[in-house]
Amino acid sequence: AQSVTQPDIHITVSEGASLELRCNYSYGATPYLFWYVQSPGQGLQLLLKYFSGDTLVQGIKGFEAEFKRSQSSFNLRKPSVHWSDAAEYFCAVEYGGSQGNLIFGKGTKLSVKP
Amino acid sequence: DAGVIQSPRHEVTEMGQEVTLRCKPISGHDYLFWYRQTMMRGLELLIYFNNNVPIDDSGMPEDRFSAKMPNASFSTLKIQPSEPRDSAVYFCASSYDRGGEKLFFGSGTQLSVL
Repeated sequence: AQSVTQPDIHITVSEGASLELRCNYSYGATPYLFWYVQSPGQGLQLLLKYFSGDTLVQGIKGFEAEFKRSQSSFNLRKPSVHWSDAAEYFCAVEYGGSQGNLIFGKGTKLSVKP
Repeated sequence: DAGVIQSPRHEVTEMGQEVTLRCKPISGHDYLFWYRQTMMRGLELLIYFNNNVPIDDSGMPEDRFSAKMPNASFSTLKIQPSEPRDSAVYFCASSYDRGGEKLFFGSGTQLSVL
């Protein structure tokens, strides 16, 4: 069955430090991949997506993610974290023929130290 | 557009009571999704509609849960009778086409069943 794993439940980084959030998926073919961000009390907002082509994709708010087929991974990165980036981040997979049905990871909560 | 609008934002009820959650999708969106978010299970798709027709309700946990979409601008998720384990945040999302890149989420309804 398709699944998405975010191994880190909670990460704390210092403001200005780099960030990498991990995501691994289980699927026989290349799925569509997404990262969403959820601020407290809010719904999810799309950060970036990967469908095909260049494996390094740029998103909003200075985030990027790299698709690595050999590792079934789609890790999210940001070179310098800002205090406003504190939120929960969800990786999601849309598999072929699912008509937009996404499978979400359980999320990684990011805290930012001043 | 005001985005996806959910009501109420918070609902506290007693076990056995009927609960109705409401959603107004973004105008022009053909797809509407109901998700449930809990600490234990993360984000789960409960049901989704296309052009007001339920397409996949395999995520609905029990017969106590029902969802309707009487017209393109309104959907309800009903729980009857409610149980404490139904406590969660329920999100509605809509999109104008299939695909996670086009998915817009509401701010959610925080449900507490005592």
